[in-house]
Amino acid sequence: DTGVSQNPRHKITKRGQNVTFRCDPISEHNRLYWYRQTLGQGPEFLTYFQNEAQLEKSRLLSDRFSAERPKGSFSTLEIQRTEQGDSAMYLCASSLSRPTGNTEAFFGQGTRLTVV
Amino acid sequence: KQEVTQIPAALSVPEGENLVLNCSFTDSAIYNLQWFRQDPGKGLTSLLLIQSSQREQTSGRLNASLDKSSGRSTLYIAASQPGDSATYLCAASGNTPLVFGKGTRLSVIA
Repeated sequence: DTGVSQNPRHKITKRGQNVTFRCDPISEHNRLYWYRQTLGQGPEFLTYFQNEAQLEKSRLLSDRFSAERPKGSFSTLEIQRTEQGDSAMYLCASSLSRPTGNTEAFFGQGTRLTVV
Repeated sequence: KQEVTQIPAALSVPEGENLVLNCSFTDSAIYNLQWFRQDPGKGLTSLLLIQSSQREQTSGRLNASLDKSSGRSTLYIAASQPGDSATYLCAASGNTPLVFGKGTRLSVIA
């Protein structure tokens, strides 16, 4: 297993276009998280899944954002009608949920989105 | 709502110095506290995970401690090297997913 994989690594899009990012977590991890990070800030939580169920969405996740994890494996994050304020690094992470809490979370290399 | 604060925001030290990075959190009902390293334009690399039942963890030149009662964690880096230059982030995990601080940007000068 090569860890958490995100594609694409970079995306430049025109304002108003739709974009989709993909995340492949560590295979045995049942939790998958999406975060957004802007320059000089820590990652901000967007949403997370346990298996295929989306358990929580941040108020940061406007109705233009949608995430799926259809088979409990990879996940996609789609942004519709992109705005310049959506420009950020989008990070995906995975971990294993246990009754005693979550194991160590591992992050991918991120997808850098630039909206022009 | 969990809030995580990291002090200082930036730190510059000469090579060879020992240093301490600080992290505080408001809700002590955490499952674990995790420290990450982030290089410019890259993702996060996990450094250390401290479970809520533990007081510290060590990996090489890194030592992280956790005091739940006071809502504090520290990351100690021994004998710093220029390759340690990066942003260090702490994150607290409880009933909610990881909540991050803004990080400490470390520069180690040769």
